Amino acid sequence: EAGVTQSPTHLIKTRGQQATLRCSPISGHTSVYWYQQALGLGLQFLLWYDEGEERNRGNFPPRFSGRQFPNYSSELNVNALELEDSALYLCASSHRWSSYEQYFGPGTRLTVT
Amino acid sequence: SQQGEEDPQALSIQEGENATMNCSYKTSINNLQWYRQNSGRGLVHLILIRSNEREKHSGRLRVTLDTSKKSSSLLITASRAADTASYFCATSSGDKLTFGTGTRLAVRP
Repeated sequence: EAGVTQSPTHLIKTRGQQATLRCSPISGHTSVYWYQQALGLGLQFLLWYDEGEERNRGNFPPRFSGRQFPNYSSELNVNALELEDSALYLCASSHRWSSYEQYFGPGTRLTVT
Repeated sequence: SQQGEEDPQALSIQEGENATMNCSYKTSINNLQWYRQNSGRGLVHLILIRSNEREKHSGRLRVTLDTSKKSSSLLITASRAADTASYFCATSSGDKLTFGTGTRLAVRP
């Protein structure tokens, strides 16, 4: 069974640009979660999507947004990039009723210069 | 804000020794999990302990949970160099999974 995949592995952007990160969940999982992990810090919950809807959102500004497609894959968009957005962005997936049992992808390292 | 706080923040031990990490949390939980993260990569699920359990084992891992003290510990026995990683606890309450700040474990060969 294929795990959670994320692309790209690395992304370098300049301040003010937009970044798009992608995630494909494990087959059969309908929920996708996005987390931000700044250097040396723990994971901060960003967004949760299930069945195409945004179910929960962490304490992040509106320039962090995303969507989930009919095949349950997801995109995270970060607009008007700031230097402090540089981080590892992790995607996880789960079954809808097992949100505590999340499986993580390898992450996308976003660097904003 | 982080629900869990791991202690210590960093730990360095010799191969073969045991490593103990602690996690404290603030609110009531359904379950608690421990994850491992190798150097800036994705998280690997290690073990889940439910709120009505006190201790759980998986291979060289032993997890305890004390809901009265709102704390958990992860013990790795007979550590190996390959155990070098960051370890995070994550608490589940409802639909949300909240991670602690992590313990960086270094196992010296």
